[in-house]
Amino acid sequence: DVKVTQSSRYLVKRTGEKVFLECVQDMDHENMFWYRQDPGLGLRLIYFSYDVKMKEKGDIPEGYSVSREKKERFSLILESASTNQTSMYLCASSAQGPREQYFGPGTRLTVT
Amino acid sequence: DQQVKQNSPSLSVQEGRISILNCDYTNSMFDYFLWYKKYPAEGPTFLISISSIKDKNEDGRFTVFLNKSAKHLSLHIVPSQPGDSAVYFCAAVNRDDKIIFGKGTRLHILP
Repeated sequence: DVKVTQSSRYLVKRTGEKVFLECVQDMDHENMFWYRQDPGLGLRLIYFSYDVKMKEKGDIPEGYSVSREKKERFSLILESASTNQTSMYLCASSAQGPREQYFGPGTRLTVT
Repeated sequence: DQQVKQNSPSLSVQEGRISILNCDYTNSMFDYFLWYKKYPAEGPTFLISISSIKDKNEDGRFTVFLNKSAKHLSLHIVPSQPGDSAVYFCAAVNRDDKIIFGKGTRLHILP
């Protein structure tokens, strides 16, 4: 059974804190993605990676960075959390570009 | 500007009937389309896809239709079941392998 796991289901952080969201996949996929989901806005791509140590900006990268040191792990970093980064964060992986992605369960982050 | 539009935020369908979810796109450079289903508190799951060289793809109760001239695709679910109640996202991939998701349509299957 294929699996994408995210380090936390719920997270509460204070404004200005550095936040790490971790994602691990066990399918040996080359490609990994970070999205955020907000009511009425759907899924918006933050960053993606098509190879280890490689990263590309998505549609809304401002305020975020990523790290991919190993094939199975893709981390999303909020350098200084702000209240407008309160959201559901979803990680995904795929074997073929952005097609047929497998998603993790999501992390609901609240920044107070 | 929204390149992938799901104009109906919600849809209610009687159990056993056909559910039709619609999606419009504006960019003719999209060449691959997907539908995902999402339950509350879970990540989206891939449902069905279609390449731009086809106009129909079927998988069990799910069929996706693509009308390239109208830049429109639709997902048909027949017959609709209670477990189909979820949010459905349409997504499009362009030739540069960039993916754009729609905002989603919440489907309610009524008993």
